[in-house]
Amino acid sequence: EAQVTQNPRYLITVTGKKLTVTCSQNMNHEYMSWYRQDPGLGLRQIYYSMNVEVTDKGDVPEGYKVSRKEKRNFPLILESPSPNQTSLYFCASSLDRYTSYEQYFGPGTRLTVT
Amino acid sequence: AQKVTQAQTEISVVEKEDVTLDCVYETRDTTYYLFWYKQPPSGELVFLIRRNSFDEQNEISGRYSWNFQKSTSSFNFTITASQVVDSAVYFCALSNQRRSQGNLIFGKGTKLSVKP
Repeated sequence: EAQVTQNPRYLITVTGKKLTVTCSQNMNHEYMSWYRQDPGLGLRQIYYSMNVEVTDKGDVPEGYKVSRKEKRNFPLILESPSPNQTSLYFCASSLDRYTSYEQYFGPGTRLTVT
Repeated sequence: AQKVTQAQTEISVVEKEDVTLDCVYETRDTTYYLFWYKQPPSGELVFLIRRNSFDEQNEISGRYSWNFQKSTSSFNFTITASQVVDSAVYFCALSNQRRSQGNLIFGKGTKLSVKP
């Protein structure tokens, strides 16, 4: 089954404690990205990757890091989380960056930073 | 600048009513793509439809239909004979191939509540 998986699905942490949210896709997609969803703001892109070892900032990258060492994985790293990073996070992938193709979304990770 | 506006923040209807969710977009590009996604209470994002800017034909899929009008920059979504299971947040999104980030520009969503 074609899918994007994220782990963990729910996470409560404290300010400053480094965390990683994993994302993996099994569709051999080149393009992957991370979004955050906040009430009243919709979804906003954090980082994206066009292929292995190629990553770049989206619209709201501050406080986040990513890496793309393998085509299937695209982890999101919060080195020093802060309460304003409490949000619902989605990983997405598509065949390539030309979003004429459908973007497949993971199930979401709900992060709370206290 | 690209922008998607979903002016209806929340809509509440009674089951079996028809409901239309509005989406207005802004873009300077001639080639672009429009999407609708559904987010049920469980939180995942479910792809509903993709439409490219060269195809203005309306689309119908069961109780769902979409009306794309370039003249008014709108891509509205109608649910006929709504059901409780249609209760969700619905997002309209825009993309174009020239945007190097390849991302979707989302509207803020419309929360639809269908009451029995």
